[in-house]
Amino acid sequence: DAGVIQSPRHEVTEMGQEVTLRCKPISGHNSLFWYRQTMMRGLELLIYFNNNVPIDDSGMPEDRFSAKMPNASFSTLKIQPSEPRDSAVYFCASSTRTGLGLGSSNQPQHFGDGTRLSIL
Amino acid sequence: EDQVTQSPEALRLQEGESSSLNCSYTVSGLRGLFWYRQDPGKGPEFLFTLYSAGEEKEKERLKATLTKKESFLHITAPKPEDSATYLCAVQAAGTYKYIFGTGTRLKVLA
Repeated sequence: DAGVIQSPRHEVTEMGQEVTLRCKPISGHNSLFWYRQTMMRGLELLIYFNNNVPIDDSGMPEDRFSAKMPNASFSTLKIQPSEPRDSAVYFCASSTRTGLGLGSSNQPQHFGDGTRLSIL
Repeated sequence: EDQVTQSPEALRLQEGESSSLNCSYTVSGLRGLFWYRQDPGKGPEFLFTLYSAGEEKEKERLKATLTKKESFLHITAPKPEDSATYLCAVQAAGTYKYIFGTGTRLKVLA
């Protein structure tokens, strides 16, 4: 089975440019997560979608960051304008969530191989 | 505040030298504790989920255990291919968020 697919794998761009990262979750998964990983802070959740709807974007660092999920098989994370401190590895993960509220349960999250972003 | 602390930060073992990695957590009601393995340049790869104190899971040379305050990942007779960063994450009851530790970098020498 195909896992979570992210593109590009590497992105190097200059400060001020727009960056778009892409993610295709595992087919049948209804939850999608965007994370950022740095040496200093480890893995940080940026935004969570359930059934294509953004549920929690409290981890998005600034208005320069935005994310969309137009359908169940595609999501984007956009940074505009980019800054050097945005340099990190960005991961997308997907899982299956069943049920509602406190009675809901999540299957484990499965991660893509990430996009290594360097802003010069 | 929900928190996960992993120790040690780094560990070097000789091939065949068994050891344990620790994951201490504080969470307001545990829904699940997850262990992942991450290789350089790759995303975290799911290993185990533990739900309640006393539970154990095994996979090849790895065994994960859980108490009310911590989890251990025991590595028995490791091989060089077990070298990786091992990440622990907890999910609090009533939430979808994973809180990740910063990982243990394991190096197994031949």
